Amino acid sequence: GAVVSQHPSWVICKSGTSVKIECRSLDFQATTMFWYRQFPKQSLMLMATSNEGSKATYEQGVEKDKFLINHASLTLSTLTVTSAHPEDSSFYICSARFGAGVGSGELFFGEGSRLTVL
Amino acid sequence: AQKVTQAQTEISVVEKEDVTLDCVYETRDTTYYLFWYKQPPSGELVFLIRRNSFDEQNEISGRYSWNFQKSTSSFNFTITASQVVDSAVYFCALSPSGTYKYIFGTGTRLKVLA
Repeated sequence: GAVVSQHPSWVICKSGTSVKIECRSLDFQATTMFWYRQFPKQSLMLMATSNEGSKATYEQGVEKDKFLINHASLTLSTLTVTSAHPEDSSFYICSARFGAGVGSGELFFGEGSRLTVL
Repeated sequence: AQKVTQAQTEISVVEKEDVTLDCVYETRDTTYYLFWYKQPPSGELVFLIRRNSFDEQNEISGRYSWNFQKSTSSFNFTITASQVVDSAVYFCALSPSGTYKYIFGTGTRLKVLA
């Protein structure tokens, strides 16, 4: 079946540094990918929709300058957390749309990336 | 407004007991999809089922079954003869047709005790 892979699965960084998380669709082309954020013991909140070859669409309240999203190819989207601070520590999960046309509905999720900012 | 409510934050059962996880959703759309995902401690989301709004047939897959009641806007999930490996957080999600945006519930943490 379709597989979405994220890298790194976990990362620890110092406050003020930038961290890049990659999301790859391994056996299908994903025109659209989504980035979610999950705080401990909480639900997944959609951060942004990433479309190949165009700018990402951010959800209300998500700082686009803080969370840079690039979807340069049909199999790769990246999320860069810029100037990370401890409050950015979270579990970030990407998902990719599989199937063409409106309404196919199903997304495949990556394994998630746990970011800890010291 | 679109919303998914999972009122049970945590459930504990003893192995072999049956358990039902509740999911109530709100949407004004006539076409939408409902999902259940399992999130084990490792964090990845495991797809369990997708149901579109026009298909109210209940579904059974092994020990898992789902009851979709459009009249009450509910999509409940039952695990029969629970096992320790079923311990995880289970999320119900709603996706309006065509958007691919998932609205997740807050999740239900299921603990199955040996």
